[in-house]
Amino acid sequence: GDSVTQMEGPVTLSEEAFLTINCTYTATGYPSLFWYVQYPGEGLQLLLKATKADDKGSNKGFEATYRKETTSFHLEKGSVQVSDSAVYFCALSKAAGNKLTFGGGTRVLVKP
Amino acid sequence: DAGVIQSPRHEVTEMGQEVTLRCKPISGHNSLFWYRQTMMRGLELLIYFNNNVPIDDSGMPEDRFSAKMPNASFSTLKIQPSEPRDSAVYFCASSFSGRNTGELFFGEGSRLTVL
Repeated sequence: GDSVTQMEGPVTLSEEAFLTINCTYTATGYPSLFWYVQYPGEGLQLLLKATKADDKGSNKGFEATYRKETTSFHLEKGSVQVSDSAVYFCALSKAAGNKLTFGGGTRVLVKP
Repeated sequence: DAGVIQSPRHEVTEMGQEVTLRCKPISGHNSLFWYRQTMMRGLELLIYFNNNVPIDDSGMPEDRFSAKMPNASFSTLKIQPSEPRDSAVYFCASSFSGRNTGELFFGEGSRLTVL
C-alpha cells in the first residue's frame, strides 16, 4: 500500500539556521504531496502542497519540490525562527475525497 | 467562520468506561475524518465519511470502536469499553471532497487518558 517515510526527529536548530526535512513516498500512480504543520496544542494545518511532478509548493518561507524520479518531497527553509518550532508531517493523497496518508512526523525545535 | 469543533478537549476515564468524542465539521464540508495520534504509531486514520456515509473504516482498531455521522454537522467516535492502550489524541478533520485539494481542516483534538 501507499506509505510516507520522513526523517525522525527531533531536529534542533539555532535561529536563522537552514532547515531541511527529508520525505520519501511509495505509491502507485501520481499522488499529490503535502506538508502539514502542527504547533503545540493544536491540530494540523496545511503548510504547502504540490500536485504533479516538478511542482514546487511554497508558503511562509518553506519550500518543497515534487521529485518523481526520487519519489521525494523534501521540506526546506532558509532561515528558521523560534516560531517555526512544531511537528511537520509529510503526506500524500491519491484517492478522491482528500484521504491522506501521513508520515510519522518530525519534531523541530528552534532555539534563540 | 468557525473551524472544526471537537469536544471534550480532555477526557480522563477509567478502564472499562464508555467514552464518546464529538465533532462538528466546518459547514459545507462533506467529508469527515477521524484520526488517532500516539507517540508510538503517529497519525492513524480510523474512519472517514463522505456525505455522512462511512467509506473506509479499515483503520478502526477493533469492535470496541464505533463511529457515526447522523447528519452533515455532527459525528461521534465511541469507545466501549475503553482500555489504557486507547490513550491518545483523537483528531477530527473535515474537507469538501469536490475540490480534491488534499486540504483537511483539523480540530484541536480530544486528549483521552484511560487509567
